[in-house]
Parts: sequence; structure tokens; C-alpha cells
Amino acid sequence: QQPVQSPQAVILREGEDAVINCSSSKALYSVHWYRQKHGEAPVFLMILLKGGEQKGHDKISASFNEKKQQSSLYLTASQLSYSGTYFCGTEDPETSGSRLTFGEGTQLTVNP
Amino acid sequence: EPEVTQTPSHQVTQMGQEVILRCVPISNHLYFYWYRQILGQKVEFLVSFYNNEISEKSEIFDDQFSVERPDGSNFTLKIRSTKLEDSAMYFCASRWGQSQETQYFGPGTRLLVL
Repeated sequence: QQPVQSPQAVILREGEDAVINCSSSKALYSVHWYRQKHGEAPVFLMILLKGGEQKGHDKISASFNEKKQQSSLYLTASQLSYSGTYFCGTEDPETSGSRLTFGEGTQLTVNP
Repeated sequence: EPEVTQTPSHQVTQMGQEVILRCVPISNHLYFYWYRQILGQKVEFLVSFYNNEISEKSEIFDDQFSVERPDGSNFTLKIRSTKLEDSAMYFCASRWGQSQETQYFGPGTRLLVL
């Protein structure tokens, strides 16, 4: 069952902040966040493992609430280069090959 | 930095023809995946592969699809008789460990079936 992402789309001005949410109805091993620009492959941003940890990388950070089966991606002081579609991919303990199941994506547009 | 590579970058084929998409995963990785993305839609899992056999496949991965690791470096996806609805971007991914590890995606092969 695929995770649900919200919002579907967000438009920001450079320097503004955004939060993208990802929730699942199933227990999760991990949540993986990717950014994809048009016509390109998804680029890995970060992985959140069960345990409620928060990770950060430059001005992008994320949290994972295992009990609520939710993850949020925080983009702070957005830059033009942040534009793209953000996907969360979830991994659940029931699948033998540890596939990633992706949400529908959140389209982020950062304008000058 | 090591990366996943895929060839060709674009493939145009006639309906009913066979296509083989090729991938070279990162060299010390053990788990390999194919995903596809229809234009404007989300990335969908097709198949995972470990120790020379399929670990898991989705409902999309029917008898028309097959995967192979013919040598120590290549990982291929074959579509036996392509249909119009197979037109999509196909991504190969690899990871070192089975779970809770990063999956690295290749640049993709854009397949167009006419």
C-alpha cells in the first residue's frame, strides 16, 4: 500500500520554508526521501530509520515518527535549486526484497 | 563516486518487439531493482533481485518481463513483446544491504513503444 504525501504541490518564494509529509497505514522499517527534476532520475536525499530520529543535510532535514507511521521533510530557506518533485519511499518489514513503495510525489516550485 | 549506469538512455521500438534494458549496478552492491515511471506519475516497483534470483516482483512484472544477471556486472530487464502501455522511464537501482540502506538509482532508460 503506497504512502500518502501532502501537499500535492507547493509554490514558494526563494528563502521561504516548506514541509512535506508522508504517512503510511503500515508499520515501516524506514523512509527514504528523493528529489526528482524533470526528465532525470530520483536523487537520494536521506533515509530515516525507525527510532524517531531526525536527520539533516544542509538546509533540508527530516523526521520519522515510527508510532504514527509518518515522516516529514523540512526545507528551510529554500533555494531555486530545490525545485522538483519530492518522493517518499517506504520500506516495510513484510516484503522480502525490501522494495521501496513510493508516494505520488509533491511538486515543489521555488520562484525568485 | 560510484554510480549506477544504464544503457541505452532512449529506446524506441515497435509494439510486439523485444527490448533489453541494461544496467551496471554499483560494484559492491548485492541487491538490484527495476522500477518504472510512466510520464507524470510516481515511481513503481517492478522487481528485486538477489543472489541470482528474483526476491520479489510486483503485479506489473508479468510473464512478458524477465531479469537476468548474465555476468558479474550487468543486470538486464527484458520485455518480450512490448505493448503501448510499456512506454515509460525504467530505472535500475542497487543497494549494498537488504534493508534500511540507500537505494541508488541509475539515470534511466526512456522507452517509447509505437
